[in-house]
Amino acid sequence: SQQGEEDPQALSIQEGENATMNCSYKTSINNLQWYRQNSGRGLVHLILIRSNEREKHSGRLRVTLDTSKKSSSLLITASRAADTASYFCATGLSSGGSYIPTFGRGTSLIVHP
Amino acid sequence: KAGVTQTPRYLIKTRGQQVTLSCSPISGHRSVSWYQQTPGQGLQFLFEYFSETQRNKGNFPGRFSGRQFSNSRSEMNVSTLELGDSALYLCASSLASGRREDTQYFGPGTRLTVL
Repeated sequence: SQQGEEDPQALSIQEGENATMNCSYKTSINNLQWYRQNSGRGLVHLILIRSNEREKHSGRLRVTLDTSKKSSSLLITASRAADTASYFCATGLSSGGSYIPTFGRGTSLIVHP
Repeated sequence: KAGVTQTPRYLIKTRGQQVTLSCSPISGHRSVSWYQQTPGQGLQFLFEYFSETQRNKGNFPGRFSGRQFSNSRSEMNVSTLELGDSALYLCASSLASGRREDTQYFGPGTRLTVL
C-alpha cells in the first residue's frame, strides 16, 4: 500500500502562476522527500524535510510539513513550462537497517507557456 | 560524477521469455534499489541490495530476482514474463550511510514491453 498520497492527481496552470501540491501519509515518519519525474524518465530528488522541521526552501520550491496532520505541501513559485512533470512525495520506511522510501502516486503538473 | 546508468533503455519481449536489466550506481554508492512503475500501481519497491546481499524485498513474486556484484553494479531478472510485467523499471543508488536521510539517485529507467 502507498504510504504517501499526493493531491491533486493533476494540476494545470499558466506560466508564472504558483503550483501547490499536497501529500498525506499514514504513519510516523523521520523525514519526507519530494521528487520530480519528467515523462518516462527517472526521478530527481528535489528536497528533504525532517520531521522536526516545519518549512524548508530551495530556490523556487517551498515545502511545509505538518506532522500533527500527517501532511506536507510543495509550492512551486513563478512556475515555468520546464516545471511540467510529475511530482512525488516519499516517506521513509526503515527496514532491516536500511531506509526505503515509499512513494505516492504523484501529482501531474502541466505548466502552459 | 556520472549518474546512475541503466541498460538497455528499451526492451521488447514476448510472454514466457526472461529478461535481465542492468544498473550501474553512482561511484561510491553501496546500495542499489529497484522499482517497478506502472500507470495503475505507481512506483512499487522491488528489492534493495547492499554489499552483494539482498537487504530488503518488496511484495513481488519469485519470478523477480536480482543480484549485486562486488563493484556494486546490479542486475535484475524477470523470468516467465507476463503481459502485466510491462513497466518502467527504475534503479536507484544511495550511499547507504545508515542515516535515515539517504537520498536515492535514480537512473533513467528501462522501459520493458511484453507482447
